[in-house]
Amino acid sequence: QKEVEQNSGPLSVPEGAIASLNCTYSDRGSQSFFWYRQYSGKSPELIMFIYSNGDKEDGRFTAQLNKASQYVSLLIRDSQPSDSATYLCAAGDQAGTALIFGKGTTLSVSS
Amino acid sequence: KAGVTQTPRYLIKTRGQQVTLSCSPISGHRSVSWYQQTPGQGLQFLFEYFSETQRNKGNFPGRFSGRQFSNSRSEMNVSTLELGDSALYLCASRHDRNTGELFFGEGSRLTVL
Repeated sequence: QKEVEQNSGPLSVPEGAIASLNCTYSDRGSQSFFWYRQYSGKSPELIMFIYSNGDKEDGRFTAQLNKASQYVSLLIRDSQPSDSATYLCAAGDQAGTALIFGKGTTLSVSS
Repeated sequence: KAGVTQTPRYLIKTRGQQVTLSCSPISGHRSVSWYQQTPGQGLQFLFEYFSETQRNKGNFPGRFSGRQFSNSRSEMNVSTLELGDSALYLCASRHDRNTGELFFGEGSRLTVL
């Protein structure tokens, strides 16, 4: 069974700190990886996507991919209370037509 | 640019009934996917349509079905509803079949009594 594993948290960080979110995936055939943010009662919102090994930066967010270790991470710099949400990691299946989601990590940023 | 639009947003049904949910993708997007989100199982893939053809299907019973129209709009149907079908049903669209970002609608929250 293809799976994406995430620590459910909650992960608590003070305002201004770096939040580090991690996930692992089981399908070595996955080629695309995504991070979504979901506020309570809302739908998932795409934050970052990464296809190649290494780092990808977008503003305060950095996604990291290590295909050899089957590991994906998301760093949030200068965390803000508005970043408090559930973060979902997803891996594309081999066909690229479906996303396999982790169950999410809850992040809480205190002011 | 309008986002993914889902209707209805909320609905209540009783066991044994059927339900149809509708999704209008972002203009120009040809791929539409459906996902079920529950507290226990998280987000799970139901099926994906591209150019009116179902290209992929998740591990759900045959009571769950869908279709896509020539204008890329999609519907999903759940027949003989069970209590466990209570969930948030999310539609997502992307421009191409298997590349690019997937954008979600606000979802249809189904409660089965």
